[in-house]
Amino acid sequence: AQTVTQSQPEMSVQEAETVTLSCTYDTSENNYYLFWYKQPPSRQMILVIRQEAYKQQNATENRFSVNFQKAAKSFSLKISDSQLGDTAMYFCALDHSGNTPLVFGKGTRLSVIA
Amino acid sequence: DAGITQSPRHKVTETGTPVTLRCHQTENHRYMYWYRQDPGHGLRLIHYSYGVKDTDKGEVSDGYSVSRSKTEDFLLTLESATSSQTSVYFCAISDHPGGRGQETQYFGPGTRLLVL
Repeated sequence: AQTVTQSQPEMSVQEAETVTLSCTYDTSENNYYLFWYKQPPSRQMILVIRQEAYKQQNATENRFSVNFQKAAKSFSLKISDSQLGDTAMYFCALDHSGNTPLVFGKGTRLSVIA
Repeated sequence: DAGITQSPRHKVTETGTPVTLRCHQTENHRYMYWYRQDPGHGLRLIHYSYGVKDTDKGEVSDGYSVSRSKTEDFLLTLESATSSQTSVYFCAISDHPGGRGQETQYFGPGTRLLVL
């Protein structure tokens, strides 16, 4: 079975600092995709970043970047220059092949402190 | 933002009553999903649809049914609500199925349901 594990239920970071959120996953597929979603207090889910497993280069979107370690099945999210607006729940998700929907982790609640 | 709305946004109901939540999209996306979100469980898939009148069960489908008679609408029904169904419900859409690496899902704003 495909699973996604986020081992940090809660984290905090000072404004302007850098924080890394962890995600590990398990899949028997070789081609798959990984996502990070952000859910602010408004509750709307927002796609932050995605990574194709066949690409060695780590994805980057402005202040957000990932550290994708395929052999270790690890997909961490790094947020640089943290801002108060980054306060949210962050979900890691796996798109495994097999024509079935995304598998989500349980989320990490991030608080950015002024 | 993708055009997804959910109604109602908040609902309080009593145990044993039927409840229907509606998800409406203006993106003409083929795939639609219903999730529930609970503390300690993250997002769990209830049902999904891969086309008009084509639906399938997710991880936590017991006690729920769905219908999709039009591309733009996906209804979630709790036939007889129970307190364990108190949750926040999210609808999501995508224009590609899972497994092809293009499943960027777009989520609605959520519906908070309280079953007393």
